[in-house]
Amino acid sequence: QKEVEQDPGPLSVPEGAIVSLNCTYSNSAFQYFMWYRQYSRKGPELLMYTYSSGNKEDGRFTAQVDKSSKYISLFIRDSQPSDSATYLCAMSPFSGAGSYQLTFGKGTKLSVIP
Amino acid sequence: EPEVTQTPSHQVTQMGQEVILRCVPISNHLYFYWYRQILGQKVEFLVSFYNNEISEKSEIFDDQFSVERPDGSNFTLKIRSTKLEDSAMYFCASRLQGGYTFGSGTRLTVV
Repeated sequence: QKEVEQDPGPLSVPEGAIVSLNCTYSNSAFQYFMWYRQYSRKGPELLMYTYSSGNKEDGRFTAQVDKSSKYISLFIRDSQPSDSATYLCAMSPFSGAGSYQLTFGKGTKLSVIP
Repeated sequence: EPEVTQTPSHQVTQMGQEVILRCVPISNHLYFYWYRQILGQKVEFLVSFYNNEISEKSEIFDDQFSVERPDGSNFTLKIRSTKLEDSAMYFCASRLQGGYTFGSGTRLTVV
């Protein structure tokens, strides 16, 4: 079983739609959860960072973590064409070394159609 | 907004040659990383660096790879003898606490 699973899509939605992106994981040691946005041939850009189970909201973005189900989600409200990108989930265990090595999902490619 | 800067953006090298990829992390960050992404695949951890030494490294980071922070601002990844399978995007990242900030990457093409 892969450590982090993410549906690669592609996912195509009309402008203004609510987008739901998801990842599942198998390693119960994962404690920190992140969502990154990656435009073509660019580096990942941090969107959301969460530690605990529950919801975290930032503007049009909501991150949700359910540790009991080992399932995380990112919701994008009122999606815009500029949201078209690949969305990567990433997670890390607590590390005594403090380095917090990230394990990534494969990414979901999102297209928002005007 | 502070950013992580990587140079060059694209490097082409012949198999067997040494390459050095350069990064300037965010100045007050304490943890530094290299990741790579082979085309169409996941972003993979290579190495983390803290307090002037490697704190963790992956199986990918074998004896052909080394990292250095030579002057307190730059952070470099050296590949001693490149192979075709080293062709990938290499991302530098830094962190103080919370999430990482990644650079835009260096596309390494080994021919």
